Amino acid sequence: DAKTTQPPSMDCAEGRAANLPCNHSTISGNEYVYWYRQIHSQGPQYIIHGLKNNETNEMASLIITEDRKSSTLILPHATLRDTAVYYCIVTSPGAGNNRKLIWGLGTSLAVNP
Amino acid sequence: NAGVTQTPKFQVLKTGQSMTLQCAQDMNHNSMYWYRQDPGMGLRLIYYSASEGTTDKGEVPNGYNVSRLNKREFSLRLESAAPSQTSVYFCASTRYGGNSPLHFGNGTRLTVT
Repeated sequence: DAKTTQPPSMDCAEGRAANLPCNHSTISGNEYVYWYRQIHSQGPQYIIHGLKNNETNEMASLIITEDRKSSTLILPHATLRDTAVYYCIVTSPGAGNNRKLIWGLGTSLAVNP
Repeated sequence: NAGVTQTPKFQVLKTGQSMTLQCAQDMNHNSMYWYRQDPGMGLRLIYYSASEGTTDKGEVPNGYNVSRLNKREFSLRLESAAPSQTSVYFCASTRYGGNSPLHFGNGTRLTVT
C-alpha cells in the first residue's frame, strides 16, 4: 500500500473550516484514500473514503486532486469536539487488505475557541 | 447497538503474569483485528481473523496468541507479560476483510511492571 505524508499538527478556529492535507504521490490506480480520526483516549473512528471523485457525508468532505497524488479532508464548521488526530491512509480493495494498512502518526488538529 | 466492546479498560500486570483481553462486536462483521498503539508510533497490527475459524499473524505477533471464539468474539492472550507489552490495545472489526471501514473499540490500557 502507498504511504502518506501529513503535517504533524494544525490549528483551526472554532466555526471555521478545517482543511487537512495529505500527500500520497505513489498511490496506485485501484487504491482508495481513507480518513480516520482518533479523539483522545478513544479508538479511531472512520470518517470518509474515496477513489477519485470528491465525496461528502455528514461528517466531512474529501477532495482528491485529479492526478490523485494528494487529497484534503474538509471539516466545514469545526467544533471543539473535532480536536483529534486525523489519519490519512491509502489501501486497495481485495480480501484481507485491511491487514496491510499503514498507520502513520497523522495530523493532530487543535480546534481553538 | 454497542459496536465493538473491549474489556477490561485498564489492567496492570507484573512481568510473567498472563491475561486475556476480550473483544466482542454486535454488527455481524466477518473480520476482526487486534492492534497495539505506542507513543510516537502508528497503530500496529498484532493478529487478525478474516472470518470465523481463521486467524493469522500481523506485523507484531510475538508474545501474543488469539482465539476467534465465534463470529462475535476475538480474544488476545498474553501468556507471559513483558514490560515491552505495555501499550494501548485496540480491537477492530469490518464487515468484509477488503477495504470496508474499520470499527474500533475504545481500547485496553495495559501496564506491565
